[in-house]
Amino acid sequence: DAGVIQSPRHEVTEMGQEVTLRCKPISGHDYLFWYRQTMMRGLELLIYFNNNVPIDDSGMPEDRFSAKMPNASFSTLKIQPSEPRDSAVYFCASSLSPQETQYFGPGTRLLVL
Amino acid sequence: SQKIEQNSEALNIQEGKTATLTCNYTNYSPAYLQWYRQDPGRGPVFLLLIRENEKEKRKERLKVTFDTTLKQSLFHITASQPADSATYLCALDAGGTGANNLFFGTGTRLTVIP
Repeated sequence: DAGVIQSPRHEVTEMGQEVTLRCKPISGHDYLFWYRQTMMRGLELLIYFNNNVPIDDSGMPEDRFSAKMPNASFSTLKIQPSEPRDSAVYFCASSLSPQETQYFGPGTRLLVL
Repeated sequence: SQKIEQNSEALNIQEGKTATLTCNYTNYSPAYLQWYRQDPGRGPVFLLLIRENEKEKRKERLKVTFDTTLKQSLFHITASQPADSATYLCALDAGGTGANNLFFGTGTRLTVIP
């Protein structure tokens, strides 16, 4: 398996623009997680899915953030409108069970100007 | 609320020495604890998992301990090498909180000096 795949790897956009981050989890993994990592706050869980259903979105900062998982092999994290404080590295991870080993993608480095 | 602290932001050691990283937690009781390695520009990579009923676990040059009384895990790298230089993150399950996810520490950046 190729591991967790994320795209794009880098994104530079202007404040107010819509940003869509994409993730393909490892085949067979029932859980998918979206994290945000910054120097100040470390790795923060935004939302996670089980069998394509959002289970806990309490980490989503505000209504500007939304996430979907239309099928077992694809998820998106959307920020609309984006703001400079959203600049961070966004990771997607998948696992067989929610608290066991998680496999991370390479991340998307987002810069909002 | 749960709190996870890793002993320091950065740790420098000489090649060949043993690196010891600390992860302390408060306000809950995880069933298990994991350690991950993160290299610059990459996602975290799983290294070891230790359960609450296990005192110690080893994998090659790595050793992890888990003291549920002290609420602390120690991560050791013996015979350290420059290639071990990376950021190491501890992660804990949510314990009895009812949540089904991992909580990560902010990490310790280890530099092994040749």
